[in-house]
Amino acid sequence: QKEVEQDPGPLSVPEGAIVSLNCTYSNSAFQYFMWYRQYSRKGPELLMYTYSSGNKEDGRFTAQVDKSSKYISLFIRDSQPSDSATYLCAMSLNSGYSTLTFGKGTMLLVSP
Amino acid sequence: DAGITQSPRYKITETGRQVTLMCHQTWSHSYMFWYRQDLGHGLRLIYYSAAADITDKGEVPDGYVVSRSKTENFPLTLESATRSQTSVYFCASSESLDSVTDTQYFGPGTRLTVL
Repeated sequence: QKEVEQDPGPLSVPEGAIVSLNCTYSNSAFQYFMWYRQYSRKGPELLMYTYSSGNKEDGRFTAQVDKSSKYISLFIRDSQPSDSATYLCAMSLNSGYSTLTFGKGTMLLVSP
Repeated sequence: DAGITQSPRYKITETGRQVTLMCHQTWSHSYMFWYRQDLGHGLRLIYYSAAADITDKGEVPDGYVVSRSKTENFPLTLESATRSQTSVYFCASSESLDSVTDTQYFGPGTRLTVL
């Protein structure tokens, strides 16, 4: 079993929909959780990060961590065509000073 | 303000040839990383470097060689390319390994095809 699992999609939604993207993980030592966004033929860019359990909100984006279930989510409200991209979750160990482990990424398509 | 650049952006080579992918960053970040991205596998770390002349293996280092003689450059060499090394390669850099305070910034990628 891979350490981080993420459904590759694609996930197709109409503009304005609420989107839910998810990752599960097996290593309970992961404490720092990040979401990266990657547009087609570009490098990934950091969208949000959270530490341990809880929620974090930034504009239309909310990141949620449930460490008891080893499950993290990214919610996008009022989705826009410009949100069409691949979203990768990433995690690092409890020290924070460790390399990142990435999920495979979920491709999101938001149609006008 | 170039940030992080990679060259070439596209490369086609043949099995058995040596190939070097270049990465250059202008921020003087201490840490630099090489990843490969493949369908079905996502981003996997090949090598990383904490400073000039300090490198360490990642998840998939076999078949690759890195060096870092200058802080701003981190070339990745495929000594004898194989078809399984066909991939998109991303270079990244960060100030430290602290994933909370220091974001990894990624380059635009190099698409490598090995025939």
